[in-house]
Amino acid sequence: AQTVTQSQPEMSVQEAETVTLSCTYDTSESDYYLFWYKQPPSRQMILVIRQEAYKQQNATENRFSVNFQKAAKSFSLKISDSQLGDAAMYFCAYRSPRRDNNNDMRFGAGTRLTVKP
Amino acid sequence: EAQVTQNPRYLITVTGKKLTVTCSQNMNHEYMSWYRQDPGLGLRQIYYSMNVEVTDKGDVPEGYKVSRKEKRNFPLILESPSPNQTSLYFCASSVGLAVYNEQFFGPGTRLTVL
Repeated sequence: AQTVTQSQPEMSVQEAETVTLSCTYDTSESDYYLFWYKQPPSRQMILVIRQEAYKQQNATENRFSVNFQKAAKSFSLKISDSQLGDAAMYFCAYRSPRRDNNNDMRFGAGTRLTVKP
Repeated sequence: EAQVTQNPRYLITVTGKKLTVTCSQNMNHEYMSWYRQDPGLGLRQIYYSMNVEVTDKGDVPEGYKVSRKEKRNFPLILESPSPNQTSLYFCASSVGLAVYNEQFFGPGTRLTVL
């Protein structure tokens, strides 16, 4: 089964600075999807960004971008110009395209990001 | 407004007292699932449903039941709750089986079993 590892339980960043959150995964599949979700104190899960494995170009959404290294099975999230509202728990997730794998979505343990004013 | 709703948002109960957490989505999504979130473990899937009357086990199904009698509703049932089921629970839904499609999450239910 696929596993997702987030090795940084906690990270902090100064407001307006850049921070990178790490994520690695283990899979034998060649086609899959990767996601970063944000969970603020409200507990709501919010999709930040997603990446298709067959696309070489790294996904970007405003201040959020990823560094997708397929061979290394690495999917890091970069947050530029950090804002106080970025403070949250961030989850990396992997989703299988296989129906016999129930299109399984697997999550990492999460990284709690603190933004210092 | 497109959304996934869960009720209740908070629940404190005692061991063995049956409870149901409701989940409803208004987006006509085929795929629905339940997760539990525990510190240091992320979210783990309990059960999922690919359509009406089609449900299957996820990674941690023990102690839980679900049903999918209508497309919009996917309740989670704990027949005899135990303290190890104290957790934060999320319902989620997505369009069909296309894996690229975003999963929309409910607001979460904080359950405490004494």
